[in-house]
Amino acid sequence: AQSVTQPDIHITVSEGASLELRCNYSYGATPYLFWYVQSPGQGLQLLLKYFSGDTLVQGIKGFEAEFKRSQSSFNLRKPSVHWSDAAEYFCAVAPNNAGNMLTFGGGTRLMVKP
Amino acid sequence: DTEVTQTPKHLVMGMTNKKSLKCEQHMGHRAMYWYKQKAKKPPELMFVYSYEKLSINESVPSRFSPECPNSSLLNLHLHALQPEDSALYLCASSQVPQEKLFFGSGTQLSVL
Repeated sequence: AQSVTQPDIHITVSEGASLELRCNYSYGATPYLFWYVQSPGQGLQLLLKYFSGDTLVQGIKGFEAEFKRSQSSFNLRKPSVHWSDAAEYFCAVAPNNAGNMLTFGGGTRLMVKP
Repeated sequence: DTEVTQTPKHLVMGMTNKKSLKCEQHMGHRAMYWYKQKAKKPPELMFVYSYEKLSINESVPSRFSPECPNSSLLNLHLHALQPEDSALYLCASSQVPQEKLFFGSGTQLSVL
């Protein structure tokens, strides 16, 4: 069975600082990998996804993520955080033959200090 | 139109009530999903409809009854819920087969 771990429940960064959110997965083959963002009381918005090819993927809102097969990781990064980035971030995996069947990690809550 | 619309946004119901949650999309997507999200937890898949047919039921109790009357509409009928069913219920849709899910903003349900 596939699983996703986000080791950091909460992260606080200063506005303008860089950000890295960690995600580790467990799956027999290379899964499809996703990062979603959720503002309070809202639905989820897809930031980026990895299926194959270039291991560094660019997403919306200035986010990027790097797939590292050797570490089973798919960490999310942003060079300069804005106050509007404060939200809950979910990493998700799906089998590569059923890419819509998402399993979510526990989430990381990002807080941004002025 | 790239939206998934859910109504109502908030719902409070008693354990003997019957209510329904509604989800609508006009993107031509033929897969629709219900997720349940408890506070401070990730979403958990409940049901998947593909081409208006129920394709996945993740062992959800029968007090939750999904319905897909047409390709644009998805309902979740609620009956005899328990307080532990209080959660944010999220609807999503996608093309078939497509991996990008579009989520609605959810219905915040409180069961008293």
